[in-house]
Amino acid sequence: QQQVKQSPQSLIVQKGGISIINCAYENTAFDYFPWYQQFPGKGPALLIAIRPDVSEKKEGRFTISFNKSAKQFSLHIMDSQPGDSATYFCAATPAGAGNMLTFGGGTRLMVKP
Amino acid sequence: DTAVSQTPKYLVTQMGNDKSIKCEQNLGHDTMYWYKQDSKKFLKIMFSYNNKELIINETVPNRFSPKSPDKAHLNLHINSLELGDSAVYFCASKMGGSSQFFGPGTRLTVL
Repeated sequence: QQQVKQSPQSLIVQKGGISIINCAYENTAFDYFPWYQQFPGKGPALLIAIRPDVSEKKEGRFTISFNKSAKQFSLHIMDSQPGDSATYFCAATPAGAGNMLTFGGGTRLMVKP
Repeated sequence: DTAVSQTPKYLVTQMGNDKSIKCEQNLGHDTMYWYKQDSKKFLKIMFSYNNKELIINETVPNRFSPKSPDKAHLNLHINSLELGDSAVYFCASKMGGSSQFFGPGTRLTVL
């Protein structure tokens, strides 16, 4: 059972455009939702994270939108750059139980110059 | 000055062998993790461990066992390696309610 569903699997965006990646979750016990960026041959790196008590969080060009009632959250990358080309993972974790992350399936983003 | 380090970076071995992957974090974190990333890039938790509690993902075969000599280290030992164990294994750590920091990964290839 995939508890966090991520879409699309791949995304091609022109430089300067907006990249949007969506995730949906099932477990209402989840209370922390991070996004990770992974470059080839590297480990996932934390990009931005949100808790369900806020509907939006922005850090630079990256914004998370969160809809608790719909159990959905999304990552928006404004003014996308070729250097943003990577695989992006949404994740979720409940409080307690070791805070183990459940990951979405990943989105491979390519930003064309 | 890598925060979470893993050795080796690459590991190639034969079926049936026993191998270990080492992980060290110098962040003073209290909880460490092992994740497996398969060929389709899907990331799956294997273990969560702090000095009080080991939590095992129920889908992990008991051929896999974490071993922690001290708070800064969490090694992964794998017995009787199988072809399906080929993957990239990531160690991660965190402190309290903070986010997890991942190591660079170990690519395991079982022949």
